[in-house]
Amino acid sequence: GAVVSQHPSRVICKSGTSVKIECRSLDFQATTMFWYRQFPKQSLMLMATSNEGSKATYEQGVEKDKFLINHASLTLSTLTVTSAHPEDSSFYICSIRDRDGEKLFFGSGTQLSVL
Amino acid sequence: RKEVEQDPGPFNVPEGATVAFNCTYSNSASQSFFWYRQDCRKEPKLLMSVYSSGNEDGRFTAQLNRASQYISLLIRDSKLSDSATYLCVVTTTSYDKVIFGPGTSLSVIP
Repeated sequence: GAVVSQHPSRVICKSGTSVKIECRSLDFQATTMFWYRQFPKQSLMLMATSNEGSKATYEQGVEKDKFLINHASLTLSTLTVTSAHPEDSSFYICSIRDRDGEKLFFGSGTQLSVL
Repeated sequence: RKEVEQDPGPFNVPEGATVAFNCTYSNSASQSFFWYRQDCRKEPKLLMSVYSSGNEDGRFTAQLNRASQYISLLIRDSKLSDSATYLCVVTTTSYDKVIFGPGTSLSVIP
């Protein structure tokens, strides 16, 4: 069964609106979750590492005020794309590591289209 | 130089063919290695881990050469359902950083 649940699967919104994406760990408590972005025909790029109870760690070039991450519980992390613009249109995926800390399990992804 | 590089592809092969994908990584301190499969607009799914001794899972064989910093994936008797993008994934020590290769696209043709 699924280890990670991600919602919504698809969002179409107007430029300037904010979009929230949820990622839930279903099988175990995850103190750390990862957010990736994938543009067409490109690989996954890590945006940020979400840490339960503390601030997220953002990768170089990712605006923390633009991509707000909240990891309020051990099973839920949210990514909010604030004031979305067409260039933010992408496939966003969250993931967690298994209990051994080695393998990654992914949410089903969210396709964001900003008009 | 990218940290993880893969054959650009795409690979278009007939059913039943054998196809091999290559991957190289630049960080000699890399710890663990994986092949993931990703279908269009879907999340990546773990195909197999890669070990220095080589490992096989049915029609899939993965090899790791630490000295050459090279990883391979061999698919025998290709099926239509094998059509996907294959991602080479490398982690650093303590798994604190996960690097995805750009992926190689495979299309198996009837």
